[in-house]
Amino acid sequence: GAVVSQHPSWVICKSGTSVKIECRSLDFQATTMFWYRQFPKQSLMLMATSNEGSKATYEQGVEKDKFLINHASLTLSTLTVTSAHPEDSSFYICSARPPLVTASTDTQYFGPGTRLTVL
Amino acid sequence: QKEVEQNSGPLSVPEGAIASLNCTYSDRGSQSFFWYRQYSGKSPELIMSIYSNGDKEDGRFTAQLNKASQYVSLLIRDSQPSDSATYLCAVNGRGSTLGRLYFGRGTQLTVWP
Repeated sequence: GAVVSQHPSWVICKSGTSVKIECRSLDFQATTMFWYRQFPKQSLMLMATSNEGSKATYEQGVEKDKFLINHASLTLSTLTVTSAHPEDSSFYICSARPPLVTASTDTQYFGPGTRLTVL
Repeated sequence: QKEVEQNSGPLSVPEGAIASLNCTYSDRGSQSFFWYRQYSGKSPELIMSIYSNGDKEDGRFTAQLNKASQYVSLLIRDSQPSDSATYLCAVNGRGSTLGRLYFGRGTQLTVWP
């Protein structure tokens, strides 16, 4: 169990276009999903926390108007990179957290990631 | 700001040896700790979680937690070349940040045949 999928797995787009990435929890309901970005040879950087039915919480320095996050259901969150530029090229990874957990059972499962290349 | 520190490595061990990965964290009240394995070009994969002091074993992996020392480690016994990856230590937030993971920078492990 605990499978998280992402689509697409990779995408190449032209500068100035928008790209939407989907994150789905396949066998559990995720009240909270997280979006990360990872540049080569660097650690994960949390971009935002997405709670179902409410606005996402963005980390400091992440432009919320550029990285639009929607978490409309308990199994789906989307990240839209608007007006993408080459510096947005990165590996975008989502993770999902099952509900009704306590501090001693909390776990997070990662999707396979989406590699974005902006030309 | 919660900090998670890992020995950056790279760590290189021969096949069959024990690989020891270490992690310290700054928030004494942290309660959930995780080790993720990340192969190059792939997303992190959860391999161990530990919530109470002591050892937790799962196959060739043993996680050790010492909350008094704010220290968590991962031992990989009988290391295999397929274990070569970056290992990320993560600590869960608490209170208003419960569910948010704080990651170390990772330790790159190479197991040579």
